[in-house]
Amino acid sequence: NAGVTQTPKFQVLKTGQSMTLQCAQDMNHEYMSWYRQDPGMGLRLIHYSVGAGITDQGEVPNGYNVSRSTTEDFPLRLLSAAPSQTSVYFCASSTPTGEQYFGPGTRLTVT
Amino acid sequence: GNSVTQMEGPVTLSEEAFLTINCTYTATGYPSLFWYVQYPGEGLQLLLKATKADDKGSNKGFEATYRKETTSFHLEKGSVQVSDSAVYFCALGAHRQGAQKLVFGQGTRLTINP
Repeated sequence: NAGVTQTPKFQVLKTGQSMTLQCAQDMNHEYMSWYRQDPGMGLRLIHYSVGAGITDQGEVPNGYNVSRSTTEDFPLRLLSAAPSQTSVYFCASSTPTGEQYFGPGTRLTVT
Repeated sequence: GNSVTQMEGPVTLSEEAFLTINCTYTATGYPSLFWYVQYPGEGLQLLLKATKADDKGSNKGFEATYRKETTSFHLEKGSVQVSDSAVYFCALGAHRQGAQKLVFGQGTRLTINP
């Protein structure tokens, strides 16, 4: 039981490049979410999904896309990277009662 | 909207000291409340939770009581250890579409000196 896995662990992009952050969970959780963590700002919700085929925007969705074709996978796509997207990104899956299980994070730098 | 406010850090204590990290919230309805902990270089881990007023969550010597009258969920530990050094996040869970969306506080960095 691997829990929540994320790849890559580190990534450097140039402004304007696109990329996909991968997230997978093996706990059969319906609810998954993506957060970004910036110093002094806690975690902010980017997008979330309540099941395969259903996604919705969180607090800071601009510049990011998601899709959920299976229960296990929830990738996050950066369409055209900007320096403001330099951050640490966490994927999480959740039980129906709100206990969230987090992946180890992806540290992204956009130059 | 829903929000969570934590005491600002960083907090530095000596080993075996008493710890309190304050957390207050603003919410409609009856949210669940959580404390998460983040150790260096890792993701967040659930530390404890409470789902209704007057519930006390506890784990690893940490405790927090859901106080509706003061809209608070303060984290306490009677005797901290060096291994408790981490960042602590208070969070509020709002039920949406059959799941709980979490709103996090900004985090409090705790350092325990031997």
